[in-house]
Order: sequence, then C-alpha cells, then structure tokens
Amino acid sequence: DGGITQSPKYLFRKEGQNVTLSCEQNLNHDAMYWYRQDPGQGLRLIYYSQIVNDFQKGDIAEGYSVSREKKESFPLTVTSAQKNPTAFYLCASSPGQGYEKLFFGSGTQLSVL
Amino acid sequence: GENVGLHLPTLSVQEGDNSIINCAYSNSASDYFIWYKQESGKGPQFIIDIRSNMDKRQGQRVTVLLNKTVKHLSLQIAATQPGDSAVYFCAVAGRSGGYNKLIFGAGTRLAVHP
Repeated sequence: DGGITQSPKYLFRKEGQNVTLSCEQNLNHDAMYWYRQDPGQGLRLIYYSQIVNDFQKGDIAEGYSVSREKKESFPLTVTSAQKNPTAFYLCASSPGQGYEKLFFGSGTQLSVL
Repeated sequence: GENVGLHLPTLSVQEGDNSIINCAYSNSASDYFIWYKQESGKGPQFIIDIRSNMDKRQGQRVTVLLNKTVKHLSLQIAATQPGDSAVYFCAVAGRSGGYNKLIFGAGTRLAVHP
C-alpha cells in the first residue's frame, strides 16, 4: 500500500522539551514538505526538501528543524525555541519540485502539557 | 506575494443540493490550482486540479471553474451527500518568500444536512 505515514497520531510536549515527528513515504517521491495547521487557518509551510541531503526553510521555520538523510524519510523536530507548538502537523510529498499536487499524511496533533 | 481567500467560512446545504465553494487569488501569474478536502483529524485529500490554460474541469460529481479575469476559482459539488461534509481548501501555485510553492486558503467548512 503506497502512501505517507506520519507518527505518532498524538504527541505531548513538556516545557523545554524537543520532540520529533516522523514522516515516511514509499511513493518514491523526491520532494517532501512539512506544514503546520492551526484551527480555522490554512496550511503554513515550515520546511521542504526537494532532494536527499538538502532542505529549505518555509514561511515559519523558526523553532523547527528537519533532516533528509533518506529519500523516504523527512522527520521534523519541534524544538524548545518554538513557544507555541500546539498545532496539527502535516507531512506531504510530491514527485518533484513545482506545482504538482501534494500527497498528505494523516497528521500529528502536538499539544503542550 | 499570493493571497488566497475564501468567500465564506461555513457553507450549509441540504442533502441532494448542489454546493459551490469559492476561492479568490491575487497573483495573475498563478498557473496551477488545486482543491483539497479535509475531514476532521485527517490529512487533506486531493479532489481536482486545473491549469491556467483551462477554465473548466470535471470529475466525478465535482467541477472546478477558473475565471482568470477576476482571479476566482470555484468548486461545484453535485448532489451533495453527508459524506461530503468536510473542510475544503483551495491551493494556488505562486511565488512567495523567494520560492515557488502552493499557497493554501483558510478553508470553507461544508455542512450537509439530511
């Protein structure tokens, strides 16, 4: 079954803690993305990667970090510097850079304890 | 930059009626447009897309209309069903912050009543 798998579904962060959200795809897509979704708002781009070992900041990268060591994996770390981390995080992929449609995972809801 | 807005935050329709969800964009150079459906607690699902060389595209029970003159995009759902209840997002290809990307609107919640 091809697709994008995000884990965990729910995640809780304590004050000052870094947490990592997992995103794995078996679609053989080159490009991967992380979006943040707040209630009543559209999706905002955090980071994206067009190829292995390369990634770029999106609109709201502060307080987040990523890595792209493998084509199929693009983990997102929410650091303690992100003061308002509570949100729904969505990972997406596409065959390549540009305007092709994005394929989304099922999301991770991050909340602060 | 690109601004993508929706005309209504919530749309309520009766089961069986047709639904129309609207989206406005600001960049006349935008050339690719997508509609996504998002159910509660899930990731967005692709519905239909259209490129700027077209003004209409049809799928199963859905039609997307593009009016480049007024920079307006709409999604029409025929014979709306309870399973269509969700938030619908338009996304527009644009250039923002120095790179090409899809810019998402805030979404319209479609509520289908029996």
